Amino acid sequence: SQQGEEDPQALSIQEGENATMNCSYKTSINNLQWYRQNSGRGLVHLILIRSNEREKHSGRLRVTLDTSKKSSSLLITASRAADTASYFCAPNFGNEKLTFGTGTRLTIIP
Amino acid sequence: EAQVTQNPRYLITVTGKKLTVTCSQNMNHEYMSWYRQDPGLGLRQIYYSMNVEVTDKGDVPEGYKVSRKEKRNFPLILESPSPNQTSLYFCASSPLAGVYNEQFFGPGTRLTVL
Repeated sequence: SQQGEEDPQALSIQEGENATMNCSYKTSINNLQWYRQNSGRGLVHLILIRSNEREKHSGRLRVTLDTSKKSSSLLITASRAADTASYFCAPNFGNEKLTFGTGTRLTIIP
Repeated sequence: EAQVTQNPRYLITVTGKKLTVTCSQNMNHEYMSWYRQDPGLGLRQIYYSMNVEVTDKGDVPEGYKVSRKEKRNFPLILESPSPNQTSLYFCASSPLAGVYNEQFFGPGTRLTVL
């Protein structure tokens, strides 16, 4: 079924380093959203990027979208221990459903 | 405070015993949805609702029912739960135009069916 696939599945970095995670999808999208989930809790929306946008920023977060490659990336700069979480991309393919991948588990090492 | 609430947060039950998980939002959102989250499978949508009295199947609707009699509430009903419905369940809501806006998630309900 249609969904985004995050890569890598898991990522561990030192506090202060930048973290990059990627999302790929297979068909055209209307928009793509990124969410964060702290262990066992509800997802929290981070950024929505529309198909006609190439880059978006929010604080230490930077999201890029390349529709020709059908991919998006989420960059977290100057990582903090509180950034430890799972990150999900959710492409919207023009219908009423939002599909999530299995996520990237990010661990920030103090 | 704007929020999505779910009850109960934790539930252990036995096969075949009907149960309802409630979901309520106080943001006057049109769109509401239920997801289940399982290890290695990510979040999968069960049902969604675009408005009162309008519901539709998601990717994994089998074994579940929903209703949307009021805008704020969207209960998930398991008429005859089975062990394969053991999962972490999330309710979410979104303003008008559904998935074109960010979704607000509830805290989750961890269900175990013995």
